[in-house]
Amino acid sequence: AQSVTQPDIHITVSEGASLELRCNYSYGATPYLFWYVQSPGQGLQLLLKYFSGDTLVQGIKGFEAEFKRSQSSFNLRKPSVHWSDAAEYFCAVGYSGYSTLTFGKGTMLLVSP
Amino acid sequence: NAGVTQTPKFQVLKTGQSMTLQCAQDMNHEYMSWYRQDPGMGLRLIHYSVGAGITDQGEVPNGYNVSRSTTEDFPLRLLSAAPSQTSVYFCASSPHRQSGRPEAFFGQGTRLTVV
Repeated sequence: AQSVTQPDIHITVSEGASLELRCNYSYGATPYLFWYVQSPGQGLQLLLKYFSGDTLVQGIKGFEAEFKRSQSSFNLRKPSVHWSDAAEYFCAVGYSGYSTLTFGKGTMLLVSP
Repeated sequence: NAGVTQTPKFQVLKTGQSMTLQCAQDMNHEYMSWYRQDPGMGLRLIHYSVGAGITDQGEVPNGYNVSRSTTEDFPLRLLSAAPSQTSVYFCASSPHRQSGRPEAFFGQGTRLTVV
């Protein structure tokens, strides 16, 4: 069965410091990978997606993610975190032929002054 | 362009009551799905549909019914609400069949509390 692992439930980062959120997927076929962000009380906003091609993808708000097939990973990065980045982040995976996505349990990002 | 519209945005139910969460999309997507979001659990799939007249169960279908009579609408019915169904519900649509890519477009969610 498909699964997505986000090993960090909470992460605290100082404002201005760099960020990396981890995501691993389990299924071996060619994945379609997504990162979503959710601010408190809000809906899901798509940060970025990987379908094929360049394994380093750029998203909104200065985020990027790198697909590493050998490690089954799709980690999210940002070079300098802003207080407004405090939110919950979800990694998701989909596959051609499947009509739905499988989500990780999320990582809550806290930003300290 | 409205995208995926969910109504209501908030709802409080008493245990045992029934209700329908509405979901409509105007993008002519064949695929639609319902997820529930609970703290520490991420989003879990309740039911999904690959086209009008076709539905199937996801990971957590118990206590919910769906139907898909049109391409645009995919309502989720709670038959007899229980406190365990307190959650945030997200509807999504996907152009998968047209594009070959499982990209989901989400509604803004319905926050349901069952007391």
